[in-house]
Amino acid sequence: KAGVTQTPRYLIKTRGQQVTLSCSPISGHRSVSWYQQTPGQGLQFLFEYFSETQRNKGNFPGRFSGRQFSNSRSEMNVSTLELGDSALYLCASSLGTGLLNTEAFFGQGTRLTVV
Amino acid sequence: TQLLEQSPQFLSIQEGENLTVYCNSSSVFSSLQWYRQEPGEGPVLLVTVVTGGEVKKLKRLTFQFGDARKDSSLHITAAQPGDTGLYLCAGAVYSGGGADGLTFGKGTHLIIQP
Repeated sequence: KAGVTQTPRYLIKTRGQQVTLSCSPISGHRSVSWYQQTPGQGLQFLFEYFSETQRNKGNFPGRFSGRQFSNSRSEMNVSTLELGDSALYLCASSLGTGLLNTEAFFGQGTRLTVV
Repeated sequence: TQLLEQSPQFLSIQEGENLTVYCNSSSVFSSLQWYRQEPGEGPVLLVTVVTGGEVKKLKRLTFQFGDARKDSSLHITAAQPGDTGLYLCAGAVYSGGGADGLTFGKGTHLIIQP
C-alpha cells in the first residue's frame, strides 16, 4: 500500500511569509502527527490530529497550526515565518488507537528554508 | 515533560565490530520504539517494545526494554556499512483514551566504516 506522502519536498520562503504543508497518510490511518526536525533540537512534536480533531499539542507558538480533513489528509500552516523555522517538517501517520497503534510511519518530509 | 536521552551522540566504528546505543529517561513509558533515519528521508520504524524486560531480535539487531520501562538499548552485532544512519528512540505514554505524542530522543549518529 502507498506510504505517507508529503508535499512539497522542498520550499524556500521569505521571512514574514506564511506556508502550508500537506500530508496524505496511509490509507486507513486516522492519526496524523507533525514534527519539526533540526540539527540542534532533533525531532520535536508539533501536534497530532485524530478524526479531524487536534488530540495533542507540543510546545510551539500559535504561529504553527494544523487541520485534518474528513479523508484524514492533513495540512500544517506556519504564519509570519522566522529564520528559525527553517527545518525538516515530518508528517507521520498511525492507526491511532490502542497501545501498539502508536507506531508511526513517516513521510519523506518537507525541507523548509526561510531566507 | 518527558525527556529521552540517547548516548552516544556520535559513533564511528569499523565494519564487523559490535556496538550498543542507549536511550534513558526518568519517566515511565507505555511503549518504546526505535527508528532509523537516513539522510533526506523520514525515520523508519525498526521495532516496538512494550513489556518491561522485553528483548526483541531483528537479525543482527537486539533491542531491550528496561524492567522499569524507563530505558532501552539497541545492540548491533557485526556492524555493516548499511547500518549507517541516525538511530532514534521514541517513547509513548498511553492513557486509555489515546496516546500522547511520541517523545523522541535526539538520536545517535552511527557511521560504519568499511
